Amino acid sequence: DQQVKQNSPSLSVQEGRISILNCDYTNSMFDYFLWYKKYPAEGPTFLISISSIKDKNEDGRFTVFLNKSAKHLSLHIVPSQPGDSAVYFCAARVTGANNLFFGTGTRLTVIP
Amino acid sequence: GAGVSQSPRYKVAKRGQDVALRCDPISGHVSLFWYQQALGQGPEFLTYFQNEAQLDKSGLPSDRFFAERPEGSVSTLKIQRTQQEDSAVYLCASSSSIAGVEETQYFGPGTRLLVL
Repeated sequence: DQQVKQNSPSLSVQEGRISILNCDYTNSMFDYFLWYKKYPAEGPTFLISISSIKDKNEDGRFTVFLNKSAKHLSLHIVPSQPGDSAVYFCAARVTGANNLFFGTGTRLTVIP
Repeated sequence: GAGVSQSPRYKVAKRGQDVALRCDPISGHVSLFWYQQALGQGPEFLTYFQNEAQLDKSGLPSDRFFAERPEGSVSTLKIQRTQQEDSAVYLCASSSSIAGVEETQYFGPGTRLLVL
């Protein structure tokens, strides 16, 4: 069963506009969430994370929002740039556990 | 660079052949993880090492899969008698802290395995 879900396989956004990538999870024990970015033929690269004690974390153009009651998190990229075009994976973990659970990814295309 | 490296980057194997995939983690990183990523899916956890100890192998799909990290640095994932369903990208990740805390896992580029 897929405990972390990214229901949008792809997203296209105009350069300069906001990109919003969504992620839902089912396991209420998850308490740490991460976003990874992946370019073709490369491994996932860590982007930003958030602990369940927060509802927002910001790093430059990237902001992650967490809604625990809805078991939903989102990644906002603003302004979007062509170099942001990649596959974005949402991941989650239970503190004390060893592994990350990943979603299936969303392919973001930023159109110049 | 000082990132995680993996070799080979691509491997084609005939069904039934044994393969060995290598991971060189970031120097000094305590934790090492192996993940399997099937086409169109996210990475799925296979196994975890803390230094040379394999603390979790709950994600290994069968006893044909075996991983080791004898000196607490380089790790090898071995797949015996490969099957077509083993075709995937195998990702290695390392982390400076023990698993289970708010650490970041740094991933290598992966080994793409194709079993014919």
